[in-house]
Formats: sequence, structure tokens, C-alpha cells
Amino acid sequence: TQLLEQSPQFLSIQEGENLTVYCNSSSVFSSLQWYRQEPGEGPVLLVTVVTGGEVKKLKRLTFQFGDARKDSSLHITAAQPGDTGLYLCRGSTLGRLYFGRGTQLTVWP
Amino acid sequence: EAQVTQNPRYLITVTGKKLTVTCSQNMNHEYMSWYRQDPGLGLRQIYYSMNVEVTDKGDVPEGYKVSRKEKRNFPLILESPSPNQTSLYFCASSFGGWGNGYTFGSGTRLTVV
Repeated sequence: TQLLEQSPQFLSIQEGENLTVYCNSSSVFSSLQWYRQEPGEGPVLLVTVVTGGEVKKLKRLTFQFGDARKDSSLHITAAQPGDTGLYLCRGSTLGRLYFGRGTQLTVWP
Repeated sequence: EAQVTQNPRYLITVTGKKLTVTCSQNMNHEYMSWYRQDPGLGLRQIYYSMNVEVTDKGDVPEGYKVSRKEKRNFPLILESPSPNQTSLYFCASSFGGWGNGYTFGSGTRLTVV
């Protein structure tokens, strides 16, 4: 059983489109992070959210932590080919760390 | 430059031949961890260390050993590798509490034949 479910598993879009990916759980998390992983490299931390309802922006990326701290979303505006990668969420709860399996995003020129 | 350095990047070995994958960080991080990444299974934690001489098992520790004799180094040891340990391995470190953001190494792709 996966504690953090990410959806969709795969997403393929054209440059300029908007998209949202999700990270959901039935558990409450004390903090949640988003990472992006490019082929052949390790994941790179994008953001950490800790407060229910929190919204953080990183250029064209908007991250939201659910009010109940059980879910999170990542919205990308006007996607670019450079956004291509595996997006992973990671949550901390009950003294453990959990990764979702990721959303593989491909942005075509 | 702040980084986590893993070596080697690529390794092909034979079943049963002991190997060590090194991991070193230059950020004075207390927390270090090893993960393996497999298609369809995502990142799974092998071992972690809260500080020098403090290590604990993650979700998939069987067949692996670690040591933390110095703060900066956290080697992963496969005493008798088997083909099911063929995987992409990542070392990660973080400052302070284990819930803080990780800095990952670039990965080691291991093939056991």
C-alpha cells in the first residue's frame, strides 16, 4: 500500500499548456515536499509546505498544501520543455518519511 | 559547491562479489540516507543515519549494510550482491531534523549479473 498516491502517473502536453498534478493521502502530514527529477540525475527539492492551506509560488509553479494536510497539488502555468521530468512528493508523518511514485511529465515543443 | 557525491556513477558486477558505493556530503548535514529507485516501485529507503554511529533500517534493508564513522561519509555495502539488487541508488542528506528537505546525489546505476 502506497501512503502517498500521485496522479496522474504520466502526463504528456504541448508547450504553453497549463497542468496540475496531485499528491493524495488518507494520512495527515506534518510537512510535504515536492521534488523534480531529470533523467540520470537525483531529485532536486522544489518546495516544502508545512501549514494547512499554504500556497507557495516558484516562478510558473504553484504549490498548495490541503487544509487538512492530507494532500497537495502542483500547478504549472504555460509549461515549457524544460519542465519535463519526474515530479515526486515526499511527506513526513508519524516519525516516517514517504515518497510517492511520481508523475512523469513530458512537455513537447 | 554544496553537494552530495556518490561513486561510482555506473557499476556492473557479478553475483557474490562484495562492493561498496561511497557517499560524501560537504554540508555538515546530520541526516543521511540511501534509497533505491526501481520502475513502478519508486524510491524506497534502504538505511538512514541520524548522526555519526547512529544508523537504522529503512523499508528494504535486506542484503545491505551501512556505516557512519564520520559525519560526511555514509557508504553502502553489498556483501554478496544478487541480481535483484540491480537498481538505481541514491544517497541523500539533510540538515537537522529528518523531515527537512533532502539534497540528493547524482545516483549510482548498479547492474548485478
